[in-house]
Amino acid sequence: KQEVTQIPAALSVPEGENLVLNCSFTDSAIYNLQWFRQDPGKGLTSLLLIQSSQREQTSGRLNASLDKSSGRSTLYIAASQPGDSATYLCAVPMIKAAGNKLTFGGGTRVLVKP
Amino acid sequence: GAGVSQSPSNKVTEKGKDVELRCDPISGHTALYWYRQSLGQGLEFLIYFQGNSAPDKSGLPSDRFSAERTGGSVSTLTIQRTQQEDSAVYLCASSLNAQAATNEKLFFGSGTQLSVL
Repeated sequence: KQEVTQIPAALSVPEGENLVLNCSFTDSAIYNLQWFRQDPGKGLTSLLLIQSSQREQTSGRLNASLDKSSGRSTLYIAASQPGDSATYLCAVPMIKAAGNKLTFGGGTRVLVKP
Repeated sequence: GAGVSQSPSNKVTEKGKDVELRCDPISGHTALYWYRQSLGQGLEFLIYFQGNSAPDKSGLPSDRFSAERTGGSVSTLTIQRTQQEDSAVYLCASSLNAQAATNEKLFFGSGTQLSVL
């Protein structure tokens, strides 16, 4: 059974500092890995999706890397802003499951202080 | 609509009552998912629909939970005889196609906060 872990559970940084969020998964046979953002009282917004054949994806200040063999992904957010404060979750499709059923990590709650 | 719409946004009910939660997926999306997010449990998959195929109910926690999707669009999640442990945020998501190999993103609604007193 796939297990997804995110460490740390919470992170507080001053504005302008780079953020590094970690995600690990136990079974490397994944099709892809997604990073989501969740604001309080809101649903999830997909930030980046890395396919299994890719090593990284970039969108603006966000960069996500994937190392399947070691079961790890890292989300980098450059020059953090207070608006980046949110919970960030990573997720991978369930093993040998049809459809896009995802297993989620517990999330990292980020606070960027002005 | 432009995104996944869920209603109500908040629901407070008494233990033992039935509740219905609604989800309107993005137009044209054939795949629809229900997830539950609760403190200490994180996000859990409940059920998914793909077109006219039989739904995958493997994540439903008990037979008090059921869901249907009418006309391949709107979905309703029903919880019968609610219990306090059912209190959670229920999130709906949709995607264009359910094939895992296509590497599609999921689009989530804002969720329904269910509180069972």
